[in-house]
Amino acid sequence: QVQLVQSGGGVVQPGGSLRLSCAASGFTFSSYGMHWVRQAPGKVLEWVAFIEYDGSNLYYADSVKGRFTISRDNSKNTLYLQMNSLRPEDTAVYYCAKGGVPTARARWFDPWGQGTLVTVSS
Amino acid sequence: EIVMTQSPATLSVSPGERATLSCRASQSVNSNLAWYQQKPGQAPRLLIYVASTRATGIPARFSGSGSGTEFTLTISSLQSEDFAVYYCQQYNNWWTFGQGTKVEIK
Repeated sequence: QVQLVQSGGGVVQPGGSLRLSCAASGFTFSSYGMHWVRQAPGKVLEWVAFIEYDGSNLYYADSVKGRFTISRDNSKNTLYLQMNSLRPEDTAVYYCAKGGVPTARARWFDPWGQGTLVTVSS
Repeated sequence: EIVMTQSPATLSVSPGERATLSCRASQSVNSNLAWYQQKPGQAPRLLIYVASTRATGIPARFSGSGSGTEFTLTISSLQSEDFAVYYCQQYNNWWTFGQGTKVEIK
């Protein structure tokens, strides 16, 4: 079955860096755009970043632009989120999610990874 | 940015009753709207896409309707496993979520 298994996360000091990974299985990873979404404690969902199926285009929320980098390795069926210059307001559970339709950009998210907590605190 | 507004914030419903959740977009999103269910400590799960199409494995008691700026998620007869938070999401112009409706046991 389609599965996204996340790793990475943890506690980091303000200004620090962290890399999240999302290992995909059960579908043709190289055919789907992929997203990162975050949810601060007790807060709503916030889209963070998107990468096209072939890595040709990258898009970011204004709140993370210039600090976060989304990437993918289609040979390893893995999605990444490199997070630099982290701030306390970046504290959240981060989810990876698969785009709903092959090669398409503007679609729903299905499924989602299990989530990983990133805590930015001194 | 398209702002999604959900109402009510909390809906108290007895098991077996119908629940009706609303979602309004600040501008037209055509039918590019999805609904998700999230339970505590879990990732969101896709319920509905293209405003009214049920995702694989979603029971028929879940239905979606609407287009443009007004959308509705209806749960025809609430089961115990349906008590959760529900989010709408537009994907017509980037991706934005509503603030959620918590469906709780009355």
